[in-house]
Amino acid sequence: DIQMTQSPSSVSASVGDRVTITCRASQGISSWLAWYQQKPGKAPKLLIYAASSLQSGVPSRFSGSGSGTDFTLTISSLQPEDFATYYCQQANSFPPAFGGGTKVEIK
Amino acid sequence: EVQLVESGGGVVQPGGSLRLSCAASGFTFDDYAMHWVRQAPGKGLEWVSLISGDGGSTYYADSVKGRFTISRDNSKNSLYLQMNSLRTEDTALYYCAKGLLGFPGVPDYWGQGTLVTVSS
Repeated sequence: DIQMTQSPSSVSASVGDRVTITCRASQGISSWLAWYQQKPGKAPKLLIYAASSLQSGVPSRFSGSGSGTDFTLTISSLQPEDFATYYCQQANSFPPAFGGGTKVEIK
Repeated sequence: EVQLVESGGGVVQPGGSLRLSCAASGFTFDDYAMHWVRQAPGKGLEWVSLISGDGGSTYYADSVKGRFTISRDNSKNSLYLQMNSLRTEDTALYYCAKGLLGFPGVPDYWGQGTLVTVSS
């Protein structure tokens, strides 16, 4: 099975900051990677699929990049509503594993 | 508007069974693969199972294989998860989610979840 490792596990940032989260797959997954945002008490929300495709309705300050084993999610200018936990997920093969999550906290 | 509403959660003893349901609306149900994903209290997301749009293909996480069965009734726009031989480690919020068109392994819309607690 493919393992997904996210880093950091948490990050403290201020409104307006640029934030980058990294996800590494234990083997190559081409561009079969998705990113999700989850706020406390809420269901996850799909942000990006196919490594860099923005899901409909998601603000353009979110972007994704990478292929193979190394991927990044970037928030270009952090907004108050972006404080949440972010998960990556590989969709290359079953089981479609999630990363452990990155909590973005207010500095 | 896509809506997914889970039900059937509750408290069950170890070794017991439970059947979760998910009522779907707002999209052509049988065009889409469907997922179950769970989240233990205070923990991350764990994918559980997927079923293809026609119900002909199913996939499971190793942790539930042989104990859980995913199914769907396209005439009722409903998804199910039959959970047998439940363990304390199955305690979690169980989400029903719709697969993204063209990317069935990617859940795009999620319900609000139903809580399963396995405890004696």
